[in-house]
Amino acid sequence: DAKTTQPTSMDCAEGRAANLPCNHSTISGNEYVYWYRQIHSQGPQYIIHGLKNNETNEMASLIITEDRKSSTLILPHATLRDTAVYYCIVRPGSGNTGKLIFGQGTTLQVKP
Amino acid sequence: KAGVTQTPRYLIKTRGQQVTLSCSPISGHRSVSWYQQTPGQGLQFLFEYFSETQRNKGNFPGRFSGRQFSNSRSEMNVSTLELGDSALYLCASSSRTGANTEAFFGQGTRLTVV
Repeated sequence: DAKTTQPTSMDCAEGRAANLPCNHSTISGNEYVYWYRQIHSQGPQYIIHGLKNNETNEMASLIITEDRKSSTLILPHATLRDTAVYYCIVRPGSGNTGKLIFGQGTTLQVKP
Repeated sequence: KAGVTQTPRYLIKTRGQQVTLSCSPISGHRSVSWYQQTPGQGLQFLFEYFSETQRNKGNFPGRFSGRQFSNSRSEMNVSTLELGDSALYLCASSSRTGANTEAFFGQGTRLTVV
């Protein structure tokens, strides 16, 4: 399974865009990039996922580089409620499994 | 549409006892996965069920077991509890298996073993 590397922590000013990077240099062609976040002691919340193309939904945008070796999650207008641990996950593309492998994630602190 | 429901939310057990946790997936979802979260190890995959069959299993001892019923509800059981089993146990459901399917998590069951 492809591993991901994320910064341990990041700060962002409220109202500004939060850009969270993720490195997944060993990703395979059929593996998806997923982002989840976890607010203290709650269950992880699904944010977005993608394969090759950039994706956008009501929560965030996902930018995947052309070589697929890295990606960036963008929260366009961060609020205090976006303070959480953000997990970048590369999901196995074969084996028809729902398994998610979580790393340590990035702790995003949104400051007033 | 109701989310993933886990019961109970909190549980205190004594070493050596056994415990059963329950997970009701989102209506229509047939895949259920279980995870353990501890401060030291983070979020770790326990097992996955789809249509009452275990599809995948993580690296946990045999004291951890699970099952899925015909209505897709799932239970996990931990026998002979140890202090190290204290954790947040999370259940996730998805409509099908595969890499292009988002999984939605419940709020978890906080188990404390004393």
